[in-house]
Amino acid sequence: DADVTQTPRNRITKTGKRIMLECSQTKGHDRMYWYRQDPGLGLRLIYYSFDVKDINKGEISDGYSVSRQAQAKFSLSLESAIPNQTALYFCATSGQGKYGYTFGSGTRLTVV
Amino acid sequence: AQKITQTQPGMFVQEKEAVTLDCTYDTSDQSYGLFWYKQPSSGEMIFLIYQGSYDEQNATEGRYSLNFQKARKSANLVISASQLGDSAMYFCAMRGGIVQGAQKLVFGQGTRLTINP
Repeated sequence: DADVTQTPRNRITKTGKRIMLECSQTKGHDRMYWYRQDPGLGLRLIYYSFDVKDINKGEISDGYSVSRQAQAKFSLSLESAIPNQTALYFCATSGQGKYGYTFGSGTRLTVV
Repeated sequence: AQKITQTQPGMFVQEKEAVTLDCTYDTSDQSYGLFWYKQPSSGEMIFLIYQGSYDEQNATEGRYSLNFQKARKSANLVISASQLGDSAMYFCAMRGGIVQGAQKLVFGQGTRLTINP
């Protein structure tokens, strides 16, 4: 099994629908992140959490919310999806040490 | 604020040639880390190499090396003897200072590398 698992892998949803992207990890890391990737823009941070009781906004949090249900689970929600939220979404974790980042395989979301 | 700049949107290289992917960064932190990731067409992010700001020697991982020039704030990735499987998107990223215990990665825009046979 992957260290960081994202579900679903692909999703097509309609404008205005609420959608949740889920992330679970077996790394035992405290820190978890949600990134969004758009062509030509690299990855941009949406939200991050350094433990269950701590949630912080990243650079592009508008239109998104998150929930840290447990150390191992970090979910991203789009309350009312819009077409410009069509993107590839990555969950990542980090622990101690210089190699600490682990990325999930990504969720490709299309809003029509 | 940290910033990563990759000025090469795309590069085309002949197989077996060496290739250098450029990355410059901006930060006011004294302690930071620089990463390179490979993203093949399948989409996953694959860690390639890491350089710490206090590391005196350039990092190497197999065919990958990082040409770290601290005074110039550059961290170029060098791939020796390129292979067809190296065709992918490459991202430079920086871990900045510790903010509230979280160490965020800031990414550049990426360079799409194409290896021609």
